[in-house]
Amino acid sequence: GESVGLHLPTLSVQEGDNSIINCAYSNSASDYFIWYKQESGKGPQFIIDIRSNMDKRQGQRVTVLLNKTVKHLSLQIAATQPGDSAVYFCADPPFNAGGTSYGKLTFGQGTILTVHP
Amino acid sequence: DSGVTQTPKHLITATGQRVTLRCSPRSGDLSVYWYQQSLDQGLQFLIQYYNGEERAKGNILERFSAQQFPDLHSELNLSSLELGDSALYFCASSRQVNTEAFFGQGTRLTVV
Repeated sequence: GESVGLHLPTLSVQEGDNSIINCAYSNSASDYFIWYKQESGKGPQFIIDIRSNMDKRQGQRVTVLLNKTVKHLSLQIAATQPGDSAVYFCADPPFNAGGTSYGKLTFGQGTILTVHP
Repeated sequence: DSGVTQTPKHLITATGQRVTLRCSPRSGDLSVYWYQQSLDQGLQFLIQYYNGEERAKGNILERFSAQQFPDLHSELNLSSLELGDSALYFCASSRQVNTEAFFGQGTRLTVV
């Protein structure tokens, strides 16, 4: 995978609002994306993933949208709660090519989500 | 608990010294990744191993090296430490290379 980047470094929302975190990627061959949440002092935690044969995937209170045309994905968090406050990263795992997998799971810079009660 | 274990949790050492960070991946995971995260920085990819073999390298300094052993645990060796090496070092593991990676809680290295 190649580099991924985030549009906004910080996002502040009120509790109960919906949050949208965006991410752009550069490698048009990327076929798999992961969103991670990192709370202060902890390791990144897997939230949700999506493969390129899908445009949308839903989890519990989270939805990831993938727009391959513009190489953009977003993470939507419904009814944001104070416990959602964290840094959110999108990641671009390597793709398989002829049975050989390439390493270098790269992360964007991260978006800091702050939820105000 | 992600199932990835990193030791030690905290490490304080002096400049010029050498340290070894250890990572035990989740049971069955073949791929191990190492990352460095400095204060207010993102996750910088260092190196990746798959089933004992190095598969990818990021911006890893020559003073740093790693390996993955036959039992799949991995070690990251940091030598000639400098103040700027102070950071959180994370290990992650995944079943295969293009499946979700799970992170350990990190080793906080402080170089004084």
